[in-house]
Amino acid sequence: DIVMTQSPESLTVSLGERATINCKSSQSVLYSVNNKYYLAWYQQKPGQAPKLLIYWASTREFGVPDRFSGSGSGTDFTLTISSLQAEDVAIYYCQQYYSAPLTFGGGTKVEIK
Amino acid sequence: QLQLQESGPGLVRPSETLSLTCSVSGGSISITSYYWGWIRQPPGKGLEYIGSISYSGNTYYSPSLKSRVTISVDTSKNQFSLNLRSVTAADTAMYYCARIYASGNYGRGWFDSWGQGTLVTVSS
Repeated sequence: DIVMTQSPESLTVSLGERATINCKSSQSVLYSVNNKYYLAWYQQKPGQAPKLLIYWASTREFGVPDRFSGSGSGTDFTLTISSLQAEDVAIYYCQQYYSAPLTFGGGTKVEIK
Repeated sequence: QLQLQESGPGLVRPSETLSLTCSVSGGSISITSYYWGWIRQPPGKGLEYIGSISYSGNTYYSPSLKSRVTISVDTSKNQFSLNLRSVTAADTAMYYCARIYASGNYGRGWFDSWGQGTLVTVSS
C-alpha cells in the first residue's frame, strides 16, 4: 500500500494569512504515460462529510474558491490556502489514486489564530 | 444534483454483520466513468477506504478488510450495498458512501460526491 503522510498534524493561522499543508507519498504517484500525479485533496468541516477540493494534484474542483491551490512533484505535495477565511476551519486530507488500495493521509487540522 | 444517502442499523452486535445501503438520486448509477465506494472514519480519526464497485459489478476491496467485506450493486434500484461480517468494536465508525471518478483501472480515482454518513456502533 502507498502510505500518505501529512504534516503538520495541526496548523493555526491568522485570518487572511497563508496556510500550507504538506503531503508525502511513500512512492511516486506520477503516471508516466499521461504525466499526471494521481493525488487529490479534501476538506472536512466539523460534522460534515469530506468535500473534494483538488484532483490531479493541482486541478480545482468546480466551485472551489481560487484561494485553494495544489502543487507538488515527485513524492511531495502541498495544499495552499492563500488567504485563510473563517469558513476554511476544517481537517484537510490528501488521497492517492495511483494504486489500489486507495489511501488517505492522516489529516491536517486548520484553525484560526 | 447528485445525492447519496446511507441507510442501515446504527447499532450492530459484536460478531454479527454490518449491512448498509447507499441510495443514489439525481443521477444514474449505471455510468461507465464512475465507481461507487465505501469509506469509514472511526470517531476522531482519519478516513479509511473499504472498497468499491462498478455498475457492472466489478469489485475492489481494501486488503485489510477483504476477508470480511462484500459490496454489491442493484442498478434497478440505483443502490449499492456494504456487508461487513464478524464485526468488533474496532469497526465502530462513521460510514460514508461516495462516487469515484474512475481515472484509472481497478476503480482508482477521486471521490467527487459523498453521502452525509451514518454512524454505526458495534456494541452488545
